[in-house]
Amino acid sequence: GAGVSQSPSNKVTEKGKDVELRCDPISGHTALYWYRQSLGQGLEFLIYFQGNSAPDKSGLPSDRFSAERTGGSVSTLTIQRTQQEDSAVYLCASSLGVGGEQFFGPGTRLTVL
Amino acid sequence: GESVGLHLPTLSVQEGDNSIINCAYSNSASDYFIWYKQESGKGPQFIIDIRSNMDKRQGQRVTVLLNKTVKHLSLQIAATQPGDSAVYFCAEILNDYKLSFGAGTTVTVRA
Repeated sequence: GAGVSQSPSNKVTEKGKDVELRCDPISGHTALYWYRQSLGQGLEFLIYFQGNSAPDKSGLPSDRFSAERTGGSVSTLTIQRTQQEDSAVYLCASSLGVGGEQFFGPGTRLTVL
Repeated sequence: GESVGLHLPTLSVQEGDNSIINCAYSNSASDYFIWYKQESGKGPQFIIDIRSNMDKRQGQRVTVLLNKTVKHLSLQIAATQPGDSAVYFCAEILNDYKLSFGAGTTVTVRA
C-alpha cells in the first residue's frame, strides 16, 4: 500500500524491558513525526525528523526515549526500561515536507505490564 | 496543559441529521487548525482545515467555523451517515508542523 505503515500493531512487554517501534513513511515524504496517544487523551508530540536529522526532540518524555531515522525513510522509536506509564498508542505520521499535510499510520499499541 | 480541547466527549446523532462538534482553544496566536477523524484501530485522518484569516470553510458534507473572538471552532457534518461514527479531534498547528490535539469527541450515529 501507499500509506504509512507501523509495526508491530500491538506490543505487550514487561516493565523494565526495551522496545522498538518501527515506522515506514510514505515514499518520498521527507518529514516524519512521532506522537503518543494515551487512553482518552489527545495526541502528544514526541519528535520530528526532516530527512535523517531531528530538529525537534522536545516532546520526548525522558532520556529513556530515543528515535532515529535512516536513509531518509524508516524510523525507529526506542523505549528503554519501559514503565507502565509508557503504555499508549504510538502514532507515526509523514508529510511531503515540513508544514505539509500529515498522513498517519495505524499506530502501535504498547502495553507495559 | 493542553491548548486545544473539545466541549463534549460524546455525541449521539440520528442518521440523516446534522452533527455539530465544538472545540475551544486557548492560544490566541494560533493561526492554523485542522479537524481529524479517527476510526477504531486507525490513525487520525485529515477532514478539513482552516486558517485564521477565514471564519468559514466548506468541504464535502463538512463545514468548519472559526470564531477567533471567543477562540472557538466547530465542525458541522451534514446528513450524518453510519460511516461518520468515529472520534473527532480539532488540532492546532504549532511551529508549522507540531500538531496539538485535545481529547476528542466520540460521535455515534444511530440508525
